[in-house]
Amino acid sequence: GAGVSQSPRYKVAKRGQDVALRCDPISGHVSLFWYQQALGQGPEFLTYFQNEAQLDKSGLPSDRFFAERPEGSVSTLKIQRTQQEDSAVYLCASSQPGTFMNTEAFFGQGTRLTVV
Amino acid sequence: ELKVEQNPLFLSMQEGKNYTIYCNYSTTSDRLYWYRQDPGKSLESLFVLLSNGAVKQEGRLMASLDTKARLSTLHITAAVHDLSATYFCAVEHTGTASKLTFGTGTRLQVTL
Repeated sequence: GAGVSQSPRYKVAKRGQDVALRCDPISGHVSLFWYQQALGQGPEFLTYFQNEAQLDKSGLPSDRFFAERPEGSVSTLKIQRTQQEDSAVYLCASSQPGTFMNTEAFFGQGTRLTVV
Repeated sequence: ELKVEQNPLFLSMQEGKNYTIYCNYSTTSDRLYWYRQDPGKSLESLFVLLSNGAVKQEGRLMASLDTKARLSTLHITAAVHDLSATYFCAVEHTGTASKLTFGTGTRLQVTL
């Protein structure tokens, strides 16, 4: 597609429910990132994939958070046993490293998760 | 640990006035980005600054980078209402192909 696509756009979950958030990166982009943006804050890094390999998951806040990208394209961020503090916008970004000038990350519109 | 500080956090400007947003960061970096975010929307890339002394301009916005001072500025000239949004600077971690640390954002409100 033309840009990074995320679904669903909005998700309301009851506390304790599991959720799965999907990201379709720009076609051919090798790198994929997940960020969490709390209300009134800047985005914070969660995890990074290069193709199907998860190279950095240092930003995942707890073991309830899990991300995968099994075929090196679409990625899913899963949150188990959601808590109210998980309420945030989850942003996905993709980029195409390899040339110095072309590593800019492009962001999707995000999934707004509200845990009630 | 890379830290990015942005100020001011909130800026109320009159149309036609000039102002500057500052972005300081704590460690060396390959590049710095400025993004715009409208309420409920995602991040729109404004500028990518790649080297010391880089200056880029688009319309009423001009961004510059001083890597020695670890400082970037976003200058707004003759503000108009359409510029009302939140502006973020983001610093790329060296060698990580776009892993970014964001500032806290500057919420800009342009009034008539």
